[in-house]
Amino acid sequence: EAGVVQSPRYKIIEKKQPVAFWCNPISGHNTLYWYRQNLGQGPELLIRYENEEAVDDSQLPKDRFSAERLKGVDSTLKIQPAELGDSAVYLCASSGRGEEYGYTFGSGTRLTVV
Amino acid sequence: KQEVTQIPAALSVPEGENLVLNCSFTDSAIYNLQWFRQDPGKGLTSLLLIQSSQREQTSGRLNASLDKSSGRSTLYIAASQPGDSATYLCAVNNNNDMRFGAGTRLTVKP
Repeated sequence: EAGVVQSPRYKIIEKKQPVAFWCNPISGHNTLYWYRQNLGQGPELLIRYENEEAVDDSQLPKDRFSAERLKGVDSTLKIQPAELGDSAVYLCASSGRGEEYGYTFGSGTRLTVV
Repeated sequence: KQEVTQIPAALSVPEGENLVLNCSFTDSAIYNLQWFRQDPGKGLTSLLLIQSSQREQTSGRLNASLDKSSGRSTLYIAASQPGDSATYLCAVNNNNDMRFGAGTRLTVKP
């Protein structure tokens, strides 16, 4: 079984430029999450999807961040325009329903804004 | 809002020692708790998942316990090896809302 797949693995952009990250969750996992992890800290939730519906986006900076999950499978996270403070690792995770399901994370995208 | 705290923030031990990592959380109404390992520059690898009805889980040299009433979990690593060096993250799941601690950075010296 393939795990959670993310791309790109690394991205370096200049400030004010747009950037997009892509995530393909584990097949059959209805719930998809985007997290941001700053150096030396634990991941923090940006947005959670149940199928194609964003059920928790309270921590997503909506002035510059957007996300979509078309057809309830793949998801993209976009930043436009990027700021220096957006430099971080962006992690995607997916899970099934029920307490017996844990989260499976992708390898993450390391974003550097210069 | 669930808050998760991990102590210590960093730990250095000689090879072969047994060690315990601690995790505490404020809201005991949890679905499950998960321990992850993160190597530098890498994603999170799941180590153990403890459901709310369980008290502990074991995998090889790892044993994780859960005490919901006191809001605590521990990760026990037996006979530590240099390859165990990594950051260990505790994550608490309340109804598909998972919150993380800041992690414990473990170094096992040969």
